[in-house]
Amino acid sequence: GQNIDQPTEMTATEGAIVQINCTYQTSGFNGLFWYQQHAGEAPTFLSYNVLDGLEEKGRFSSFLSRSKGYSYLLLKELQMKDSASYLCAVTDSNYQLIWGAGTKLIIKP
Amino acid sequence: ETGVTQTPRHLVMGMTNKKSLKCEQHLGHNAMYWYKQSAKKPLELMFVYSLEERVENNSVPSRFSPECPNSSHLFLHLHTLQPEDSALYLCASSQSIAGGPDEQYFGPGTRLTVT
Repeated sequence: GQNIDQPTEMTATEGAIVQINCTYQTSGFNGLFWYQQHAGEAPTFLSYNVLDGLEEKGRFSSFLSRSKGYSYLLLKELQMKDSASYLCAVTDSNYQLIWGAGTKLIIKP
Repeated sequence: ETGVTQTPRHLVMGMTNKKSLKCEQHLGHNAMYWYKQSAKKPLELMFVYSLEERVENNSVPSRFSPECPNSSHLFLHLHTLQPEDSALYLCASSQSIAGGPDEQYFGPGTRLTVT
């Protein structure tokens, strides 16, 4: 079967750095997405990785290792508004998006 | 504003009721999706439409019936639902379903409670 694993919940301190991991086992691979979802709101796109390596976008970076079936989202200089759920999703060989259950990130002052 | 709107935002219905959820996208996209989101579970893809044709139906019970009259509008018709159908129903759109970096744009969702 196809599976995406992410931690259920993480806690971090304002101003710090946090890394949210995602491992996947899917039928093929055609890209990996990270989305942010604030409570009661729609998921919004953060990043897309299809090649190995690090993609940096401001305070957020996303890393991919296809050989390890592994990605992480790195958030720097955490702000209270970063409290949200972070969803990892992989496009499989049929171009279907397989979603993880999301990681709830709690930021403390 | 994400460019995808959904109505109603909240819906409470009995198991014998019939109701419809509406989604509209203002982005000129060709693909639209219905998802079910339950607490602490992955997003469940229900239906996919590409250019108004249904291309995906992930073993969804027949009490959920989608309709896509044009590329901008998507409906989900509900009848004789069960309490376990209570969830957040999200609509999304993307430029195409062909993969690549086409991210999906989500609406705010309809919070459905079946009593």
